[in-house]
Amino acid sequence: ILNVEQSPQSLHVQEGDSTNFTCSFPSSNFYALHWYRWETAKSPEALFVMTLNGDEKKKGRISATLNTKEGYSYLYIKGSQPEDSATYLCACNQAGTALIFGKGTTLSVSS
Amino acid sequence: SQTIHQWPATLVQPVGSPLSLECTVEGTSNPNLYWYRQAAGRGLQLLFYSVGIGQISSEVPQNLSASRPQDRQFILSSKKLLLSDSGFYLCAIKADQGYEQYFGPGTRLTVT
Repeated sequence: ILNVEQSPQSLHVQEGDSTNFTCSFPSSNFYALHWYRWETAKSPEALFVMTLNGDEKKKGRISATLNTKEGYSYLYIKGSQPEDSATYLCACNQAGTALIFGKGTTLSVSS
Repeated sequence: SQTIHQWPATLVQPVGSPLSLECTVEGTSNPNLYWYRQAAGRGLQLLFYSVGIGQISSEVPQNLSASRPQDRQFILSSKKLLLSDSGFYLCAIKADQGYEQYFGPGTRLTVT
C-alpha cells in the first residue's frame, strides 16, 4: 500500500515569515505528485502536479520541488500571509492507481 | 471545464438509517470518479473509485458501497449508518487526459 507522509503535522508562523513543508513517498513506480490547498468547509484546491525528477513549480509566493529518486517533495511559502492559513495536502499515485493522500500540514499564519 | 456537483451539502442522520450521497459531473466524458472521506482527526481517505459505468473498486472494508449507474453519476450508499461514518465526503474526478484530479464541494455527514 502506497504510504504518503507529511511533516510537520501543524505549523504556526507570523505574517511575513517564509516556511516549508515536506512530503515523502515511495520512489518505486512513481507516477505523479500533487499538492493541494484545503480550507475549512471548502473542497481541496489543486496547487501543483509534478511528474519529473527535479521539477519545480511556482504560483505566486508558493513553490514546490520534486525529488523522485529519494521520494520527497517540498512546498515553500514565501512571506506568509493570514490568507495562506489552510491545510496543505500532498498526494501521490503510481501509474493507473488512485491518489493516496498524506494527512496534511495545517498552517496558521498570525498577523 | 468540468463541474462537480454534490448533494446534499450537509446531512444529519441517526445511527442505523440508510444513506445516499450523489455526485454528478459536467463538462467531461468517461472520467475516473472517486469518493473520499475525511473523518474527524484523520486525513483524506480514498473509499471507492470507478473507471467506468458499473466498475467500482473499494479501497477499504466498511459498511459503505458505491455505484456508477451512468457515466457522470457516482453514488455513495449505506444500508445502516454507524457513528464512525460521520465525516466530510468528497467526490473527485480525473479527466481522461492529464494528471489533475478535481474535487467537488463535499457533503458534511453527521451521524447521531
